[in-house]
Amino acid sequence: DSGVTQTPKHLITATGQRVTLRCSPRSEDLSVYWYQQSLDQGLQFLIHYYNGEERAKGNILERFSAQQFPDLHSELNLSSLELGDSALYFCASSVDYRTDTQYFGPGTRLTVL
Amino acid sequence: AQSVTQPDIHITVSEGASLELRCNYSYGATPYLFWYVQSPGQGLQLLLKYFSGDTLVQGIKGFEAEFKRSQSSFNLRKPSVHWSDAAEYFCAVGPMDTGRRALTFGSGTRLQVQP
Repeated sequence: DSGVTQTPKHLITATGQRVTLRCSPRSEDLSVYWYQQSLDQGLQFLIHYYNGEERAKGNILERFSAQQFPDLHSELNLSSLELGDSALYFCASSVDYRTDTQYFGPGTRLTVL
Repeated sequence: AQSVTQPDIHITVSEGASLELRCNYSYGATPYLFWYVQSPGQGLQLLLKYFSGDTLVQGIKGFEAEFKRSQSSFNLRKPSVHWSDAAEYFCAVGPMDTGRRALTFGSGTRLQVQP
């Protein structure tokens, strides 16, 4: 158990819908990263937050957004969902962005029908 | 841009045999290097990491990896594989000298262990 929690574990929804994925980092961690794992794209970095501020963006679609709250938990919002958004979404956390040791949560499996 | 190559998509070894999973990276400076393991339906578990210093690093579950700068490689090894090692293994690189701290992952190597 990495200490990073993600909810829900599974999510099934329809095209065009909006969902929110939640991540709670380890208690001492200020950085939260979101990754998407799909069969065709592999593991790809989406976005990084540090202590409430966005630090970097990767291959994140405009339909996707995220935020990190004062208690350091983070939410990834996915809207206007398409079939191709079906994937495993991971959250990872680290103490700060300098150490780079990221600990991953168990993931949320999103299925868009 | 940095990249990671894991040339073996799928490897099968017998239980008790030795294992080496290959990883090559492309990056302009010395990177941070990681190996993660993902069991079916599970998240990513950190096996080991290299930041600096001794180029042979020890990890959990009896794994080790060696950083070879001249070959831009960070291969993962285990002297004797157990059936529970069957999983997918990901090599990842993270930059040391830029503001973007996200990890770049290889495409993974799926390990199958034969009894």
